[in-house]
Amino acid sequence: GDSVTQMEGPVTLSEEAFLTINCTYTATGYPSLFWYVQYPGEGLQLLLKATKADDKGSNKGFEATYRKETTSFHLEKGSVQVSDSAVYFCALLSGGYNKLIFGAGTRLAVHP
Amino acid sequence: DGGITQSPKYLFRKEGQNVTLSCEQNLNHDAMYWYRQDPGQGLRLIYYSQIVNDFQKGDIAEGYSVSREKKESFPLTVTSAQKNPTAFYLCASRPEKTSGSTDTQYFGPGTRLTVL
Repeated sequence: GDSVTQMEGPVTLSEEAFLTINCTYTATGYPSLFWYVQYPGEGLQLLLKATKADDKGSNKGFEATYRKETTSFHLEKGSVQVSDSAVYFCALLSGGYNKLIFGAGTRLAVHP
Repeated sequence: DGGITQSPKYLFRKEGQNVTLSCEQNLNHDAMYWYRQDPGQGLRLIYYSQIVNDFQKGDIAEGYSVSREKKESFPLTVTSAQKNPTAFYLCASRPEKTSGSTDTQYFGPGTRLTVL
């Protein structure tokens, strides 16, 4: 079945460092791909998405490119801030009823 | 303000009791979902509903029940048959074809359930 694999955390960075969180997927066809962010004690917020191969999703300085050759959707940011500290989830859309399949999440901690 | 509300934010239950978690949306979305989140894990689908008066089991439906009597509301009942109910529960909704981006789910703030 469809699945998503994310790099394990926690990822600890200094402010203004470059961020990469790896995400790879296994799926039938070319599903829409998503990154969601969860701040402590809150629900998930959509960060960005891409719906077809070679699409680049971007938001708030974060970017991810849909790579069908490598079945990947890595999240990047050029300069992280303390306020980016959160858990990041990669997900794909699966099936006729639009079920989301999530990775396990990657915790990011940014310190000053 | 349009959005998804879940109540209560924290819920405590004694073993053997049923408990109902509320999920309400005023986004006019047709589809609604319930997910469960355990520490260090991704979300897993419990139930989903695409239209009023219709719902389907997800991957981990055992010990849970839902109803969908109104478009705006999709309550989840955690029954005493659920063996390990302590978790963070998230509700989501999704617009249908006439409302723009139909593949994106929007999440509520969640309810943290603890069984004592």
